[in-house]
Amino acid sequence: DTGVSQNPRHKITKRGQNVTFRCDPISEHNRLYWYRQTLGQGPEFLTYFQNEAQLEKSRLLSDRFSAERPKGSFSTLEIQRTEQGDSAMYLCASTNAGVSGANVLTFGAGSRLTVL
Amino acid sequence: AQSVAQPEDQVNVAEGNPLTVKCTYSVSGNPYLFWYVQYPNRGLQFLLKYITGDNLVKGSYGFEAEFNKSQTSFHLKKPSALVSDSALYFCAGDKLVFGAGTILRVKS
Repeated sequence: DTGVSQNPRHKITKRGQNVTFRCDPISEHNRLYWYRQTLGQGPEFLTYFQNEAQLEKSRLLSDRFSAERPKGSFSTLEIQRTEQGDSAMYLCASTNAGVSGANVLTFGAGSRLTVL
Repeated sequence: AQSVAQPEDQVNVAEGNPLTVKCTYSVSGNPYLFWYVQYPNRGLQFLLKYITGDNLVKGSYGFEAEFNKSQTSFHLKKPSALVSDSALYFCAGDKLVFGAGTILRVKS
């Protein structure tokens, strides 16, 4: 297991198109997070899963965004009808759930989205 | 809810000098605090965390951080900076709310 893998690393799309990102976490990690990062900002929490259950969603996650983790392993983040404001780096991270808030996240390298 | 703030956008330090990257937090109760580092084109990497116990936490690559409850701070420190320490540093809190980041530049 070489860590958290994200694909594609880069995606350029036209406004209005749908895009999907995939995250493969560390295999023994039961918790998976999605973040968005824009230039000059820290990662912003979008959502997280405990196994296959989506336990929390940020208000940043509009109706155009949907995330799944169907078998409790890999996860997908889909953005429908992309807008230029969706251009960002989308980060995935995983961890083992333990004491609340004390888990160390392992991050993937991210998927960069550019919406033209 | 917890929030963290990094008051400096950038810190410049000469190689071999001590470095400090500042972080302050706002939380009710006992905070969980983390430092992560991000190198270009790479994912964030964990450096260290504070949960409870000793106020001085030691982490990876010779970094340490001091938890100061009275000043609500969790500053990242290293006694002697290396050029290879140049990167983007993030402080994070409970539920991994991240600060905006501080660019560290170490010049030889």
